[in-house]
Amino acid sequence: DTEVTQTPKHLVMGMTNKKSLKCEQHMGHRAMYWYKQKAKKPPELMFVYSYEKLSINESVPSRFSPECPNSSLLNLHLHALQPEDSALYLCASSQDQTGVQDTQYFGPGTRLTVL
Amino acid sequence: GENVGLHLPTLSVQEGDNSIINCAYSNSASDYFIWYKQESGKGPQFIIDIRSNMDKRQGQRVTVLLNKTVKHLSLQIAATQPGDSAVYFCAENYSGSARQLTFGSGTQLTVLP
Repeated sequence: DTEVTQTPKHLVMGMTNKKSLKCEQHMGHRAMYWYKQKAKKPPELMFVYSYEKLSINESVPSRFSPECPNSSLLNLHLHALQPEDSALYLCASSQDQTGVQDTQYFGPGTRLTVL
Repeated sequence: GENVGLHLPTLSVQEGDNSIINCAYSNSASDYFIWYKQESGKGPQFIIDIRSNMDKRQGQRVTVLLNKTVKHLSLQIAATQPGDSAVYFCAENYSGSARQLTFGSGTQLTVLP
């Protein structure tokens, strides 16, 4: 099973709202990722968690706040977003074995629209 | 049909023909490469990967070729089907930054009936 699930599938929010995106995997993977993808563009890395610790933050604005409550769950908390933040937000996971590059498996994404 | 990846982002092929999608990668130190398929409204789906100690790897109806000399990667799809219509991304990675993938710009494959 290589399934990563994400909820909600679609989200519409105003610029003053607070919302959260959720991601879950049960493959025993120890690295989890958030990506942002604009239309007709490749995914852009936002955050990486390894063994539940934030290991990479690609200079993402503080209105995006990641959280990794446990090894299976990854959240992305959203607050005071801008219309240009509208995009497909993708979660991914990988095994994260030391010294081995491994495949990242993606979820279906959350389509976010900021009004 | 054949596509030059970053410079020609669309490729149209007849159903039943073979497709070749190309990708020029940027980092000569990259040693792990992945092809993803992304259908409209969905997340990227892993298709096949290859490590730099190989120059060819085959899967079911797909073959990936790696030419490290010219930093070129290709994905060949045999007997292309309507369900193969999607955007295809190559991604590269090097062991010094194992969690960071660098994606190509993608190629839109359209299968014509």
